[in-house]
Amino acid sequence: GDSVTQMEGPVTLSEEAFLTINCTYTATGYPSLFWYVQYPGEGLQLLLKATKADDKGSNKGFEATYRKETTSFHLEKGSVQVSDSAVYFCALLDNYGQNFVFGPGTRLSVLP
Amino acid sequence: EAQVTQNPRYLITVTGKKLTVTCSQNMNHEYMSWYRQDPGLGLRQIYYSMNVEVTDKGDVPEGYKVSRKEKRNFPLILESPSPNQTSLYFCASGRGYEQYFGPGTRLTVT
Repeated sequence: GDSVTQMEGPVTLSEEAFLTINCTYTATGYPSLFWYVQYPGEGLQLLLKATKADDKGSNKGFEATYRKETTSFHLEKGSVQVSDSAVYFCALLDNYGQNFVFGPGTRLSVLP
Repeated sequence: EAQVTQNPRYLITVTGKKLTVTCSQNMNHEYMSWYRQDPGLGLRQIYYSMNVEVTDKGDVPEGYKVSRKEKRNFPLILESPSPNQTSLYFCASGRGYEQYFGPGTRLTVT
């Protein structure tokens, strides 16, 4: 079945550091790919998405590019802030367009 | 404002005592679902509903029931909770790219 793998956390960075959170997937067909963010005590919020190969999703300074050849969707940000501390989930939307498959989540802590 | 609400937000209960977690949405979505979130496992789908009176099992349905008598509500029922159902539960409304998550319900079963 479809699956999503992302780097184990926690990831701890200093403010203004560069962030990369790796995500790779296994799926049949051509899934859509997403990054969700979960701030402490809150539900999941869609951060960005990409629906086809070579698409780049971006939001709030975060970016991720849909790489079909490497089945990857790595999340990057050039300069993280303390307010970016959260858990980040990579996810794919299956071919039927109904159900999400989530990765295990990566906890990011940004220190001032 | 698009909203998915869940109640209660926190619940501590004992093994075997039936409980219901409510979920309500104001977006007139036909599709709703329940997930549980466990450390290292991400979110796993418990049940989903494609419309009123239409429900189906997700990846981890054992020990749970749902009902969908009206479009806006999709309660999750644990008839006889067990400690392995201690988890963080999320209701979601909508499908595909337009899926909204509730704030979560943290359940502890002792």
